[in-house]
Amino acid sequence: AAGVIQSPRHLIKEKRETATLKCYPIPRHDTVYWYQQGPGQDPQFLISFYEKMQSDKGSIPDRFSAQQFSDYHSELNMSSLELGDSALYFCASSLNGRISYNEQFFGPGTRLTVL
Amino acid sequence: SQQGEEDPQALSIQEGENATMNCSYKTSINNLQWYRQNSGRGLVHLILIRSNEREKHSGRLRVTLDTSKKSSSLLITASRAADTASYFCATDTYGNKLVFGAGTILRVKS
Repeated sequence: AAGVIQSPRHLIKEKRETATLKCYPIPRHDTVYWYQQGPGQDPQFLISFYEKMQSDKGSIPDRFSAQQFSDYHSELNMSSLELGDSALYFCASSLNGRISYNEQFFGPGTRLTVL
Repeated sequence: SQQGEEDPQALSIQEGENATMNCSYKTSINNLQWYRQNSGRGLVHLILIRSNEREKHSGRLRVTLDTSKKSSSLLITASRAADTASYFCATDTYGNKLVFGAGTILRVKS
């Protein structure tokens, strides 16, 4: 079965550079979530989109922005990168995010290293 | 962690033994989900238990939920070396986002 696809899988950037992470949800899933997992930490929710509209926002820095496109893929844009942004970034998708049972399926993650 | 604690933080057992991990949370929930993560890799969805359910089984996994105590447990029976991973509980608090616990590191020795 098709899973959530994330690209790139690994990314190395310098401080103050920008990065764009991409997420392709499971076909027919209408909700996309972004999470950040620092070293040895649990995943922290950043932002989500339902039917291309932002549905919830967590601890996402102002330097980050995201959107969901008409084909339901999503991109997380990160600017003015800082050393502390080094983390695993996960995308997850679910079907009908607004109904009661919200089973989220995660992609393999993008490992971002900021030097 | 934002939502609660998992205990133990680390667990080391022999192959064939059972492993039990506990998760506590702070707010009312819609459902609780358990995930497995191998060494900094992707999160694999294991099981979802709804707030109106008390127990659920999937293969060698058994999950319980006690909403009065705001706690859940994950039991892995007849553990295997391949079960070695970090296990996270995550709660859906009606806002669609998942709030994760701190995780339990399980090591199964062969």
